[in-house]
Amino acid sequence: DTAVSQTPKYLVTQMGNDKSIKCEQNLGHDTMYWYKQDSKKFLKIMFSYNNKELIINETVPNRFSPKSPDKAHLNLHINSLELGDSAVYFCASSRQGRAKAGELFFGEGSRLTVL
Amino acid sequence: GQQLNQSPQSMFIQEGEDVSMNCTSSSIFNTWLWYKQDPGEGPVLLIALYKAGELTSNGRLTAQFGITRKDSFLNISASIPSDVGIYFCAGQNSGNTPLVFGKGTRLSVIA
Repeated sequence: DTAVSQTPKYLVTQMGNDKSIKCEQNLGHDTMYWYKQDSKKFLKIMFSYNNKELIINETVPNRFSPKSPDKAHLNLHINSLELGDSAVYFCASSRQGRAKAGELFFGEGSRLTVL
Repeated sequence: GQQLNQSPQSMFIQEGEDVSMNCTSSSIFNTWLWYKQDPGEGPVLLIALYKAGELTSNGRLTAQFGITRKDSFLNISASIPSDVGIYFCAGQNSGNTPLVFGKGTRLSVIA
């Protein structure tokens, strides 16, 4: 049973299109995240949700819109895709609270290629 | 924002050798963590450190939380081929602040 699962694993699309990546966790965690990993492998947080509420939004263009229908799901929708959006996007989850909050469980990643 | 300097950027070692990598910051963190990323996978937590001076082991891995709160190191003893991957340090100030990741150390093990 996969703890944090995200789909699709690979996504190839044209500039200007809109696409979505879905994420689900079955760990019972309260907090979920989206991270972007660029071609140099640098990991940067994009969003964090706690119990369906947005708590971190790190200067991400508003073409990116996360949606959390419930605390087990955090989807990422991207409008008007640009070449620079090509990257691997990771979903992650963690327990709420001061202790253990940095102990993230990551999904396998979704590699987005914009042509 | 806060940045972590992780070194070395990459390492090529012989199987059986010990490995050491470290992370430094210009500001303090209250939590230090080390993750490993295998090719095509997401990062996996190796060790979490919560107290300054703490030394924690996980099998052949040992990590320390620097006494100044501005650094941490990770040692791997007797490396094996499956140790290959990218190792990331991460720091966190509090449970409500995002993790700050280092740029990673890419480890290659030659059998």
